[in-house]
Amino acid sequence: EDQVTQSPEALRLQEGESSSLNCSYTVSGLRGLFWYRQDPGKGPEFLFTLYSAGEEKEKERLKATLTKKESFLHITAPKPEDSATYLCAVQPGGSNYKLTFGKGTLLTVNP
Amino acid sequence: GAGVSQSPSNKVTEKGKDVELRCDPISGHTALYWYRQSLGQGLEFLIYFQGNSAPDKSGLPSDRFSAERTGGSVSTLTIQRTQQEDSAVYLCASSQEGSYGYTFGSGTRLTVV
Repeated sequence: EDQVTQSPEALRLQEGESSSLNCSYTVSGLRGLFWYRQDPGKGPEFLFTLYSAGEEKEKERLKATLTKKESFLHITAPKPEDSATYLCAVQPGGSNYKLTFGKGTLLTVNP
Repeated sequence: GAGVSQSPSNKVTEKGKDVELRCDPISGHTALYWYRQSLGQGLEFLIYFQGNSAPDKSGLPSDRFSAERTGGSVSTLTIQRTQQEDSAVYLCASSQEGSYGYTFGSGTRLTVV
């Protein structure tokens, strides 16, 4: 069974304090790993897709990396507007559409 | 439309009543998905529609749940005889065929009392 575990469940940072969120996964052949951002009362917003170990993608203060067992979302010099829940999801090799999501990491960035 | 539209945004219903949740996907997106997000849980896959193909209903939790998609566009998720454990946020998403990035709507928050 495909599983996604995200840690920590919640993270509080001061503005400018860099850190990383972890997404560990077990999946029968990885087709893709996805990161989403979810604000309260909103649906998840797509951030990145990673396809193979060693791949990295960046967007503003966020950088996502992928190994064969986990992915990290690095947040550099975060701002209060980066506060949100970050969701990780995997797409197994046998599916071209179904995603298995983790429970998310609630990030709070204090000014 | 510019995004995925879901209605209603909030629904409170009594246990045992039926409810219908609506999703209007992005124009031109052939794939449509329903997920459920319960408190403290990850998003749970419910059903997938792709063009005229038979839908993948493998995630529907019981036969009280059903969904249809009319004309390859709007979709309705129906829950019959609602139970308290059905309380959750129901999210709809759409994508272009072959695209890996879903676009989600803002969801319908269902509360069964």
